Amino acid sequence: QKEVEQNSGPLSVPEGAIASLNCTYSDRGSQSFFWYRQYSGKSPELIMFIYSNGDKEDGRFTAQLNKASQYVSLLIRDSQPSDSATYLCAVTTTGGFKTIFGAGTRLFVKA
Amino acid sequence: KAGVTQTPRYLIKTRGQQVTLSCSPISGHRSVSWYQQTPGQGLQFLFEYFSETQRNKGNFPGRFSGRQFSNSRSEMNVSTLELGDSALYLCASSPTKIAGFYEQYFGPGTRLTVT
Repeated sequence: QKEVEQNSGPLSVPEGAIASLNCTYSDRGSQSFFWYRQYSGKSPELIMFIYSNGDKEDGRFTAQLNKASQYVSLLIRDSQPSDSATYLCAVTTTGGFKTIFGAGTRLFVKA
Repeated sequence: KAGVTQTPRYLIKTRGQQVTLSCSPISGHRSVSWYQQTPGQGLQFLFEYFSETQRNKGNFPGRFSGRQFSNSRSEMNVSTLELGDSALYLCASSPTKIAGFYEQYFGPGTRLTVT
């Protein structure tokens, strides 16, 4: 079992729809959870982080964390073609100092 | 604030050579992490430094090494290059405190090609 798992996609949604990206992790003691966006040929860009169970909203983005189920998700409302990218889920290991990234989910938003 | 900078941006080396990559973190950030990104393996953690100390390392051979200087700038070195070392090497800095781990901000990366 991979430490951080994501559906590789591609996930295709129409413009204006909600895109839902999911991630599961294996280290039950993980404390910090992050979502990065990576455009082709660019480096990852941090878009959300969450430390506590529940939802965290920032503009069109909502991160959801369920530590009991070892599950973290990212919702993108009113998806735009500019949201088309690979979304990386990242989790810090117990004790910190090391971050494990998922393989990423490719998102396509169709105009 | 200026972002994370990495030099050089592109590099072509021959098998058996060694290479040194440099990273300057965001001002005030004392934690620097290095990652290797390839199409097949994704983002793989190499090592993390804080206050000149390596706090964690990934599962890479000893040919991969790094260090951090007192001004938080970091270098990584790969000796005896192999074709499989061709990748994008990313540096990320973090405003981490000693007892925690916070979000990371990535530099543009160094694209290494080994021929």
